[in-house]
Amino acid sequence: DIQMTQSPSSLSASVGDRVTITCRASQGIRNYLAWYQQKPGKVPKLLIYAASTLQSGVPSRFSGSGSGTDFTLTISSLQPEDVATYYCQNYNSAPPWTFGQGTEVEIK
Amino acid sequence: EVQLLESGGGLVQPGGSLRLSCAASGFTFSNYAMSWVRQAPGKGLEWVSAISGSGDSTYYADSVKGRFTISRDNSKNTLYLQMNSLRAEDTAVYYCAKDRCSGGRCYSFHDYWGQGTLVTVSS
Repeated sequence: DIQMTQSPSSLSASVGDRVTITCRASQGIRNYLAWYQQKPGKVPKLLIYAASTLQSGVPSRFSGSGSGTDFTLTISSLQPEDVATYYCQNYNSAPPWTFGQGTEVEIK
Repeated sequence: EVQLLESGGGLVQPGGSLRLSCAASGFTFSNYAMSWVRQAPGKGLEWVSAISGSGDSTYYADSVKGRFTISRDNSKNTLYLQMNSLRAEDTAVYYCAKDRCSGGRCYSFHDYWGQGTLVTVSS
């Protein structure tokens, strides 16, 4: 099975800061990677798919990059409403389509 | 508007069974693969199972293989998860999720999620 490892597990940043979360796959998954945002007590929301394609309606301050085994989610200017846990997910050809363990983002 | 509404969760004893349902609306249900994803209390997301639009192909996480069965009734626009031999570690919120399909191909990432239904396995 492909393992997905996110770092850091949590971070604290100031409003307006640039925030970067990384996700590493244990083997190559081409660009078959999605990012989700889950606010406290809420349902997960799709942010990005195909590693870098922004889901409709998602603010442009969110961006994704990477291919193969290393991926990045970037928030260009952190806003208070971005407080959430972020998950990456591999959806390469064969199951299981594993999630990373999550990265909790807080405001400093 | 896409809507997914789960039901069927509750408290069950270890070794017991439960069937979850997910009523879908707002899209052509039979054209889309669907998945179940769970989240144990205070933990991360875990993909559980998926089914193709026709229902011909099913997939399971190793943690539930042989105990859970995913199915769908396209005439009722409803997805199911039959859970047998339940264990304490199956305690979680179970989400029904719609897979993204494009150009006749479906990908197992999820653009719409239900609100979830809580399953608690405890004596």
